[in-house]
Amino acid sequence: GAVVSQHPSRVICKSGTSVKIECRSLDFQATTMFWYRQFPKQSLMLMATSNEGSKATYEQGVEKDKFLINHASLTLSTLTVTSAHPEDSSFYICSARDRLAGLYNEQFFGPGTRLTVL
Amino acid sequence: LAKTTQPISMDSYEGQEVNITCSHNNIATNDYITWYQQFPSQGPRFIIQGYKTKVTNEVASLFIPADRKSSTLSLPRVSLSDTAVYYCLVVPMDSSYKLIFGSGTRLLVRP
Repeated sequence: GAVVSQHPSRVICKSGTSVKIECRSLDFQATTMFWYRQFPKQSLMLMATSNEGSKATYEQGVEKDKFLINHASLTLSTLTVTSAHPEDSSFYICSARDRLAGLYNEQFFGPGTRLTVL
Repeated sequence: LAKTTQPISMDSYEGQEVNITCSHNNIATNDYITWYQQFPSQGPRFIIQGYKTKVTNEVASLFIPADRKSSTLSLPRVSLSDTAVYYCLVVPMDSSYKLIFGSGTRLLVRP
């Protein structure tokens, strides 16, 4: 099946610094990627939709200046958490949809990135 | 987007069949149903999807009645490794539509 990778898998940073998380589709091209955040014991919360070559679309309540998303190629999207604070500590997950997929909106998820802000 | 309702948690024992039912009363004609599984500290994994009647794959079966207002994910003979959170989603047949996750069902399989 289609594989999505994330890097890093785990990151610890100091408050006030910025952290970049990469999401790659390894064996398919993805015109659309999605970024989610998940707090412990909670469900996934969609943060934004990343479209290759255009600006990301953010969900209500998600600060676009704090969570910078870049989708520069058909296989790579990045999420940068700027000026991170302890409340940004969470599990960040990306997903990607194969641009050649049919009607069914099957998405493939990455393994997630655990961010801890001290 | 159609809202989904599923039990918060379920307990089972190894070797049993587990059925998780999801309600989606407001499902639209062009919506289909999809289920994902998530283990702790991992991304969700696709299990099965369908539009109506019954769908079966090597992992599970999905039963959808004629009115499509609910669906049941059936896991045959569960093992300890099936302990996970299971999410039911209703998704429009739109090539770019986002997935919105509900609270999911936390399944615990006991020895």
